[in-house]
Amino acid sequence: DAGITQSPRHKVTETGTPVTLRCHQTENHRYMYWYRQDPGHGLRLIHYSYGVKDTDKGEVSDGYSVSRSKTEDFLLTLESATSSQTSVYFCAISGGVYNSPLHFGNGTRLTVT
Amino acid sequence: EDQVTQSPEALRLQEGESSSLNCSYTVSGLRGLFWYRQDPGKGPEFLFTLYSAGEEKEKERLKATLTKKESFLHITAPKPEDSATYLCAVQAGQPNNNDMRFGAGTRLTVKP
Repeated sequence: DAGITQSPRHKVTETGTPVTLRCHQTENHRYMYWYRQDPGHGLRLIHYSYGVKDTDKGEVSDGYSVSRSKTEDFLLTLESATSSQTSVYFCAISGGVYNSPLHFGNGTRLTVT
Repeated sequence: EDQVTQSPEALRLQEGESSSLNCSYTVSGLRGLFWYRQDPGKGPEFLFTLYSAGEEKEKERLKATLTKKESFLHITAPKPEDSATYLCAVQAGQPNNNDMRFGAGTRLTVKP
């Protein structure tokens, strides 16, 4: 397994509370990504990072922010969680952008009540 | 807009019964088509990358093929341990475009 650790693995939170999910990698890969996975939808890109402090938005970025202060850590923050953000969140890494596969962590299941 | 459609949504096979999963795509400038396997409660696991029409890749009982409009994942004589959700994804456009667009997946169940 690629060295990717997501924490927490499960979280239940209330609407309106802030939530931060963490992704930690030991592969020293430049690129890191946050996806969400919902039934009936494919994985959808939220944000990605192409280096320390370099991030950009994905397809479904509204309501989410990210930060990357070190190569190994990529944080996803929901500033004020909503029920529509109930989902499984996956972090992924890749060594390059051109034709490189992604390697995924085992996900965080987030429930917003 | 780039689209990736997988069919069928679910497939049930008997052990040893060969079949194929389909991934059709409409993108501009395909750079690569990727197949992943996902087990319940786990993240997707990379299987194959295909780059151009006519290309084929094999791994154990799995064989992936690519045309200009679709890809097939052929499963030969499947075993119960092949049960999983299979995802395909495409990378397209300029090299600085990091978006990998995923299909919704095919959930495969192989009965002993």
